[in-house]
Amino acid sequence: GIQVEQSPPDLILQEGANSTLRCNFSDSVNNLQWFHQNPWGQLINLFYIPSGTKQNGRLSATTVATERYSLLYISSSQTTDSGVYFCAVEPRVNSGGYQKVTFGTGTKLQVIP
Amino acid sequence: EAGVTQFPSHSVIEKGQTVTLRCDPISGHDNLYWYRRVMGKEIKFLLHFVKESKQDESGMPNNRFLAERTGGTYSTLKVQPAELEDSGVYFCASSQDGQIGTQYFGPGTRLLVL
Repeated sequence: GIQVEQSPPDLILQEGANSTLRCNFSDSVNNLQWFHQNPWGQLINLFYIPSGTKQNGRLSATTVATERYSLLYISSSQTTDSGVYFCAVEPRVNSGGYQKVTFGTGTKLQVIP
Repeated sequence: EAGVTQFPSHSVIEKGQTVTLRCDPISGHDNLYWYRRVMGKEIKFLLHFVKESKQDESGMPNNRFLAERTGGTYSTLKVQPAELEDSGVYFCASSQDGQIGTQYFGPGTRLLVL
């Protein structure tokens, strides 16, 4: 099946710093989404971004589908950004059939004051 | 409109006991998914219902796990008997059209098996 790898696995930032999280996937995808699991365990949708660039406040994401990667940018990080960031993909199947969602390994982010 | 709800929010049980997790999807969503995240690892797909039918249950770890969705509404996930490695957070998601971008996740149930 498709492999989804995220880097870095762990990241510590000083509040106010910027960072880039990366998601690499091994095969073509129909869809890609970024999630944030906050310290309380809740899973929050961030971006649905199969291709192109989107921005929402201090966060933005870019997916280059032809090169099989996606980037999540966090600017002016805040302590509330702490948690684990996951990307998830829906592999493309030539037959057009259903393919289950595969999550990446996650990046654990800690933002310190 | 109410979102996806899960019950209980937390559960602490002893090894060998039985636990049943419940998920209520968004009304009208035919697609319902179960995922879990064991400690420190990635979130893994467990299974996918379309209405009351199991579309894909390839992620179910073993036969100690039983998922049902009677009448195509809420779903239950039973673990019997629970083992230590079953500890983690169990997420439910629902979707109207089955696309990843339209999956709405519940808050999760934290399961701790002692």
